Amino acid sequence: DTEVTQTPKHLVMGMTNKKSLKCEQHMGHRAMYWYKQKAKKPPELMFVYSYEKLSINESVPSRFSPECPNSSLLNLHLHALQPEDSALYLCASSLGTGYNSPLHFGNGTRLTVT
Amino acid sequence: AQKVTQAQTEISVVEKEDVTLDCVYETRDTTYYLFWYKQPPSGELVFLIRRNSFDEQNEISGRYSWNFQKSTSSFNFTITASQVVDSAVYFCALTSGGSNYKLTFGKGTLLTVNP
Repeated sequence: DTEVTQTPKHLVMGMTNKKSLKCEQHMGHRAMYWYKQKAKKPPELMFVYSYEKLSINESVPSRFSPECPNSSLLNLHLHALQPEDSALYLCASSLGTGYNSPLHFGNGTRLTVT
Repeated sequence: AQKVTQAQTEISVVEKEDVTLDCVYETRDTTYYLFWYKQPPSGELVFLIRRNSFDEQNEISGRYSWNFQKSTSSFNFTITASQVVDSAVYFCALTSGGSNYKLTFGKGTLLTVNP
């Protein structure tokens, strides 16, 4: 079982909906990440939080809004998405905030935008 | 710029065969880290190994082994006596000080182990 928990596992939403993806880890990790993965492609980094502060935004459109309420939780708020945003959204965490820390991934949320 | 090349898009083997997944990387940094991740059909990426640029020792973990060669910028992964449960997409990835958190992934190799 993965130690990074993501909910929901599947989400179907219309282009006018507002929804949120949730991620939780209790490993004491200090960095948390959102990745987007399209079919048959590697994951692409979206956001990085280090010590609960947003440290990297990879030029993600504003219809994706991350939030880190505390060191264990990470949310991704979705609004006015497009069909091309359909993908697997992966949350990850790492113990350290350096570039050498292995990432621990959740099972992902498979998002379909209709 | 950094780059990771996994030239094998798909590999299909029969159970108990040995299989090697190739990974070639490019970076200008002298200090860097290489990783292998496994992504089974369930979706999560599972961390398998991390290797830093100063440690060229090969590593073995059960049926898995890794061959790191700086001279050829390669970090290959071998599964011995493959099993059906090894079927997954395997990603090789690279980070360095110049990449600032960002894992540069290869495109992945889909390994199918048939019974």
